[in-house]
Amino acid sequence: DVKVTQSSRYLVKRTGEKVFLECVQDMDHENMFWYRQDPGLGLRLIYFSYDVKMKEKGDIPEGYSVSREKKERFSLILESASTNQTSMYLCASSPVAGGLAREQFFGPGTRLTVL
Amino acid sequence: DAKTTQPPSMDCAEGRAANLPCNHSTISGNEYVYWYRQIHSQGPQYIIHGLKNNETNEMASLIITEDRKSSTLILPHATLRDTAVYYCIVRVAPNFGNEKLTFGTGTRLTIIP
Repeated sequence: DVKVTQSSRYLVKRTGEKVFLECVQDMDHENMFWYRQDPGLGLRLIYFSYDVKMKEKGDIPEGYSVSREKKERFSLILESASTNQTSMYLCASSPVAGGLAREQFFGPGTRLTVL
Repeated sequence: DAKTTQPPSMDCAEGRAANLPCNHSTISGNEYVYWYRQIHSQGPQYIIHGLKNNETNEMASLIITEDRKSSTLILPHATLRDTAVYYCIVRVAPNFGNEKLTFGTGTRLTIIP
């Protein structure tokens, strides 16, 4: 079974802190994604990566950065956390099969609260 | 990607078939219909996808109308563990640089004992 794990289920940080959210997948997937999910807004893509050291901005990259030094690990960084970044953060990965990316596999999510 | 419309909530008796509708009247010829679900406090889970033919897997069946303007996800024998929010997504085949998923608000399905 594909497994996507995230470093924390719940996290509480203070405004201005630097926050690292870690995601690891164990199926050698090429693509990895970071989303945030907020009530009434659905799922929104922050960043994604299709290869080591490669990254692409999603729909809402402002206030975030990412790092992918190894294929299995994709980190989301909040350089200076703000209260409007309080959210559920979801990591996902997907393989590229036959030249087409297939379904995405999600981690359990990290519920981040910024005070 | 085409916009989808789903009812906000539905109930279904345990053991019965759950039929979840989705309207996507502006779907293009190269767009697929995907279904995901999200059980409370978990990440979303892929269920099934299709282009124009009906599809079935171990989790569900997907029925797409001939004009492709709507579809129905069928859970044949719903259990309490099927209680979740179900998302219908219409998108082009994911390929390099275009893999993102966009979820709307979905249908909250409650299975009643």
